[in-house]
Amino acid sequence: QSALTQPASVSGSPGQSITISCTGTSSDVGGYNYVSWYQQHPGKAPKLMIYDVSNRPSGVSNRFSGSKSGNTASLTISGLQAEDEADYYCSSYTSSSTYVVFGGGTKLTVL
Amino acid sequence: QVQLVQSGAEVKKPGASVKVSCKVSGYTLTELSMHWVRQAPGKGLEWMGGFDPEDGETIYAQKFQGRVTMTEDTSTDTAYMELSSLRSEDTAVYYCATPAVAAHYWGQGTLVTVSS
Repeated sequence: QSALTQPASVSGSPGQSITISCTGTSSDVGGYNYVSWYQQHPGKAPKLMIYDVSNRPSGVSNRFSGSKSGNTASLTISGLQAEDEADYYCSSYTSSSTYVVFGGGTKLTVL
Repeated sequence: QVQLVQSGAEVKKPGASVKVSCKVSGYTLTELSMHWVRQAPGKGLEWMGGFDPEDGETIYAQKFQGRVTMTEDTSTDTAYMELSSLRSEDTAVYYCATPAVAAHYWGQGTLVTVSS
């Protein structure tokens, strides 16, 4: 069981927007603005899409945005494209001895 | 630009140890805080441990304490992760990544297969 809870799957049609949630506790997501989101295509290493809740690394499309409310962080992808189909993982710094925790991952299907 | 290049795939028997390397280029290892993450087949990401720059120490996930050792050779800018007493559940792709909390840079991954 992962420390952070994500839906197993989400889907959307090209052009639509989807949101993936990531629920933790006050010891991780709720307590720090150190939430990150990763995109992973099959057989590839994860790619950082969002860090510090809502910041995008250079080169990441502005169709990707992040936010947080209480113990739940969210990743929103607008204007869905076929290449967005991938697994998405959230992670957070945690004050527990684990230091970094991940969500279980969400499979995004573009219909 | 940081580049992380990992060593090749390994096949090990249960009870053996494996040592995976991660060669840094573009920066020196001392400028980075290297961490290790693994991913079992069809499963999610799991943080194993890494260097905490605030404490200046290497920290390990409790699950791996006593079985994992992470070291660095600053003369060659290479980080290492050694996992001992391997069991079938350790079959996974092992990644080096930096920094820990918002890993901008990842190695390509090293598949470690544990099988008798």
